Amino acid sequence: DTEVTQTPKHLVMGMTNKKSLKCEQHMGHRAMYWYKQKAKKPPELMFVYSYEKLSINESVPSRFSPECPNSSLLNLHLHALQPEDSALYLCASSPGTGVGDTQYFGPGTRLTVL
Amino acid sequence: GDSVTQMEGPVTLSEEAFLTINCTYTATGYPSLFWYVQYPGEGLQLLLKATKADDKGSNKGFEATYRKETTSFHLEKGSVQVSDSAVYFCALFRGYAGGTSYGKLTFGQGTILTVHP
Repeated sequence: DTEVTQTPKHLVMGMTNKKSLKCEQHMGHRAMYWYKQKAKKPPELMFVYSYEKLSINESVPSRFSPECPNSSLLNLHLHALQPEDSALYLCASSPGTGVGDTQYFGPGTRLTVL
Repeated sequence: GDSVTQMEGPVTLSEEAFLTINCTYTATGYPSLFWYVQYPGEGLQLLLKATKADDKGSNKGFEATYRKETTSFHLEKGSVQVSDSAVYFCALFRGYAGGTSYGKLTFGQGTILTVHP
């Protein structure tokens, strides 16, 4: 089983709202990722967690706050977003971050910021 | 830095036609190479992968061979179906670099494939 689940599937929020995206995997993977994808573009890496510790932050604005409560869960907390943050947010996981490790993606959360 | 270049799309084919989507890469060391597919409104699905030179990845009739001498990983399928219509991303992963592990997939720009009946 190579399933990564994400909730919610769709989210509409105002610029003053606080919301969270959730990602879950039960494959025993020790690395988890958040990506942002704009229409007709490849995904852009935002954060990498390895063994529940944040190992990479790709200079993402502080209005995005990741959290990894345990090895199976990854959250992305959103606050004071801008309309240009509207995008598909993808979560992925991999066994580790070695060169042979494959990243498996979830279905994504379609975020619209009004 | 690492980079992946895919042939520009969109690509439009008739059902049962032969498909090639070119992918070349630039990277130091020995990256793993991947093809991901994204159907409309969905996330990315792993299509196939290769982890070392001359490896051939295959899945669902798609194939790609890791060619280090030409730094290429071209995707091929002998007979496409309407259900293959999607966006295809070539990607590389260099998990270990300069003494630190690094978990960044480097993607190409994506190629939109449309297959007509």
